[in-house]
Amino acid sequence: DTGVSQDPRHKITKRGQNVTFRCDPISEHNRLYWYRQTLGQGPEFLTYFQNEAQLEKSRLLSDRFSAERPKGSFSTLEIQRTEQGDSAMYLCASSFPGGRALSSYNEQFFGPGTRLTVL
Amino acid sequence: GEDVEQSLFLSVREGDSSVINCTYTDSSSTYLYWYKQEPGAGLQLLTYIFSNMDMKQDQRLTVLLNKKDKHLSLRIADTQTGDSAIYFCAEKRGRDYKLSFGAGTTVTVRA
Repeated sequence: DTGVSQDPRHKITKRGQNVTFRCDPISEHNRLYWYRQTLGQGPEFLTYFQNEAQLEKSRLLSDRFSAERPKGSFSTLEIQRTEQGDSAMYLCASSFPGGRALSSYNEQFFGPGTRLTVL
Repeated sequence: GEDVEQSLFLSVREGDSSVINCTYTDSSSTYLYWYKQEPGAGLQLLTYIFSNMDMKQDQRLTVLLNKKDKHLSLRIADTQTGDSAIYFCAEKRGRDYKLSFGAGTTVTVRA
């Protein structure tokens, strides 16, 4: 396992279309996070899963956004009726709880991101 | 907008030290992190500091934490061209699992 992977890496779509992104976390990690990063800004938290349970959603996650993690492994993020303001880099991260060492408890490992452009 | 603030740009001569500063607002922050982002790549954790520490050194990296002023800094000694990137300060607040990031500092290393 070489890390968190995301697919696709780039997506161009027309306004009003639906898009779906996939994230595969590091295999033993039970926590999975989605962030959004716009140009010139830092990542902003969208939502978080522990196993298959979605435990927290940001107010940034409007009703057009839905995220799932059906089997507690990979996750999908769907955006319905895309708008130009949805254009951003969507980042996925995963982490593993337990212990005091950073690498086993608090470090979030990030994927390369999916860059979405809405025309 | 972010509650974590950073200066946006830093230019440094190769071989000199770089110092990147960050201020945060939540006194309950338990961990503070520095991430590096290179073009086309994801975020890479460089180092972190636990809130009960004042300083942490890791090879060329030194992190200083001033809890009273809610100020965090990252010093990179002997800066190299490969250090050119965007550096993000991030905080983990209380029992939250999510991270709150600053807008990032773009570091440019010139020969």
